[in-house]
Amino acid sequence: GNSVTQMEGPVTLSEEAFLTINCTYTATGYPSLFWYVQYPGEGLQLLLKATKADDKGSNKGFEATYRKETTSFHLEKGSVQVSDSAVYFCALHDGGATNKLIFGTGTLLAVQP
Amino acid sequence: NAGVTQTPKFQVLKTGQSMTLQCAQDMNHNSMYWYRQDPGMGLRLIYYSASEGTTDKGEVPNGYNVSRLNKREFSLRLESAAPSQTSVYFCASSENWGAGGPYNSPLHFGNGTRLTVT
Repeated sequence: GNSVTQMEGPVTLSEEAFLTINCTYTATGYPSLFWYVQYPGEGLQLLLKATKADDKGSNKGFEATYRKETTSFHLEKGSVQVSDSAVYFCALHDGGATNKLIFGTGTLLAVQP
Repeated sequence: NAGVTQTPKFQVLKTGQSMTLQCAQDMNHNSMYWYRQDPGMGLRLIYYSASEGTTDKGEVPNGYNVSRLNKREFSLRLESAAPSQTSVYFCASSENWGAGGPYNSPLHFGNGTRLTVT
């Protein structure tokens, strides 16, 4: 079945450092891919998405490119801030007539001032 | 705009007790979902409802039941709680159509219910 694998955390960075969180997927066809972010004590919220191969999703300085040749959707940001500290989840659309998503295990990012 | 509201926020149960987690959304979304979040496991789908009047099992439905009461409300019931059901439970909702085609609209999550079964 479909699955998502993302790098384990925690990832600890200093403010203004470059961020990469790796995500790879296994799926039939080319499902839509997503990054969700969970801030402490809150539910998940959509950060960005890409619906087809070679698409780049972007939001709030974060970017991810849908690469079918490497089945990857890595999250990047050029300069992180303390306010970016959160758990980041990679997810893919599980197909069928709903918006069911399969999530990765999540990566905790801690940004230090 | 409240979005997705879950109650209660916290709950402690003894093994064998029952309870219902409530979820309501005010965005007129067709689909609703229940996920559980466990350390090292990410989020796993328990049950979902593609539209009012329908419910289907997700990845981990054993030990749970659901009711889609109306378009706004989707409840999750634990009939006989077990320690393995200790988790954080999230309700979510979505449209069935979003930018880029069908089934691409984002999920909107509530803030979760933290359940401990002793």
